[in-house]
Amino acid sequence: EAGVVQSPRYKIIEKKQPVAFWCNPISGHNTLYWYRQNLGQGPELLIRYENEEAVDDSQLPKDRFSAERLKGVDSTLKIQPAELGDSAVYLCASSQGAPGAYGYTFGSGTRLTVV
Amino acid sequence: AQKVTQAQTEISVVEKEDVTLDCVYETRDTTYYLFWYKQPPSGELVFLIRRNSFDEQNEISGRYSWNFQKSTSSFNFTITASQVVDSAVYFCALSEAGANSKLTFGKGITLSVRP
Repeated sequence: EAGVVQSPRYKIIEKKQPVAFWCNPISGHNTLYWYRQNLGQGPELLIRYENEEAVDDSQLPKDRFSAERLKGVDSTLKIQPAELGDSAVYLCASSQGAPGAYGYTFGSGTRLTVV
Repeated sequence: AQKVTQAQTEISVVEKEDVTLDCVYETRDTTYYLFWYKQPPSGELVFLIRRNSFDEQNEISGRYSWNFQKSTSSFNFTITASQVVDSAVYFCALSEAGANSKLTFGKGITLSVRP
C-alpha cells in the first residue's frame, strides 16, 4: 500500500511569492490533515478535511493561506504571498476514520524556506 | 482543551545505555488515544505506538517499551540498550475520541546516541 505522498520535498522561494504544496492521501482515507511544523516544535494542525469538506480550519491563516480538496482525494495547500515566518515543514496526514482509533499516517513533508 | 508536555528537550546518551523519554498529557475526555512518533533527520514522522485510554497495560516491542499511567497522566517511552540509529526527535501526541478529534503534539525530545 502506498503511503501519503507529498510534493515537492523541498521548496525555496522569495518572500511575497506564491507557493503550493500537494498531497495524495492513502486510498480510502476520508480524513486529510495539513500540519505545519516550525523548527524545534511539534506539528500543529492547520486544516482538517472530511472528504471534500473543510471541517476544521480554525488555525489556518486565511488572509494568505488557502486549501482545497477536490473530489475528496488529493489536496493542495497554497500560500500567497509567502512571508519569512512561513518557513517550516508542511506535513500532510490521512486517516481512515475516527483518527484516534485508526491512527494517522503522515507524508514525508515539504520543507519550505522563504528568503 | 488537550495538551501534551514533553519537559525534556534534549537527551544525550552513550550507545547501549537505557533512556526514558517522558510525556505528560492533559485532557478532559475519558476516552482518548496516546501516540509516540519518531522523526529522524530525514524528516518523516514514523509511527511507533498508539494506546487507548482504557488500556493501561505496559507494552514492549523489542528494545522499546511504554509505561502508561492514568493516575499521573503520563505515557513514558523507554529505549533499552540504545543504538546510534535511535538518534532522532521523538514526539508524544494525544487525540481525543470522536470524528472531530485532532492530534496534538508535544514539542518533541531530541535524542542523541553517541557511539
